[in-house]
Amino acid sequence: DVKVTQSSRYLVKRTGEKVFLECVQDMDHENMFWYRQDPGLGLRLIYFSYDVKMKEKGDIPEGYSVSREKKERFSLILESASTNQTSMYLCASSLWAGGSYEQYFGPGTRLTVT
Amino acid sequence: GDSVTQMEGPVTLSEEAFLTINCTYTATGYPSLFWYVQYPGEGLQLLLKATKADDKGSNKGFEATYRKETTSFHLEKGSVQVSDSAVYFCALSDFRNQGGKLIFGQGTELSVKP
Repeated sequence: DVKVTQSSRYLVKRTGEKVFLECVQDMDHENMFWYRQDPGLGLRLIYFSYDVKMKEKGDIPEGYSVSREKKERFSLILESASTNQTSMYLCASSLWAGGSYEQYFGPGTRLTVT
Repeated sequence: GDSVTQMEGPVTLSEEAFLTINCTYTATGYPSLFWYVQYPGEGLQLLLKATKADDKGSNKGFEATYRKETTSFHLEKGSVQVSDSAVYFCALSDFRNQGGKLIFGQGTELSVKP
């Protein structure tokens, strides 16, 4: 079974803090993604990476950066957390199967910025 | 750009009722279409998919047919159970997007009462 793990289920940070969200996958997938999930908005893509040290901006990259130094690990960084970044953050990795890429998700990190 | 629209929730049904969750999409290419499910407190899981027109995806009693003429991918189940209570997301992936980047609908919450 594919396993995607995220470092924390719940996180509370103060405004202005630097925040690191870690994601690890154990299936040697090349592609990894960070989304944020907000009620009524579905999931929105922040950044994705298709190889080590490669990254691409998603739809809402402002205020975020990412790091992928190893294939299995993809980190999301909030350089200076703000209250509007309070959200659920979901990491995913993907592989090609049955005619399309399929994404596998971690359990999510619920971040509260106070 | 590409987009996905789902019917608004929450949807409340009695056990053994018939379920339909509508999903329509806009895409310039020939996308693959997906339904993901999110149970309370968990990440998203792939429920079913279809990669070309007229394909039917099915899993766990759920099914959806890729209708190119109506740009739709409606989710159906003949008899829902309490354990089907979850949030359901329709999504598309254009093959041109590296790694299978997904575009999600806003999600539809389903609540099944005994």
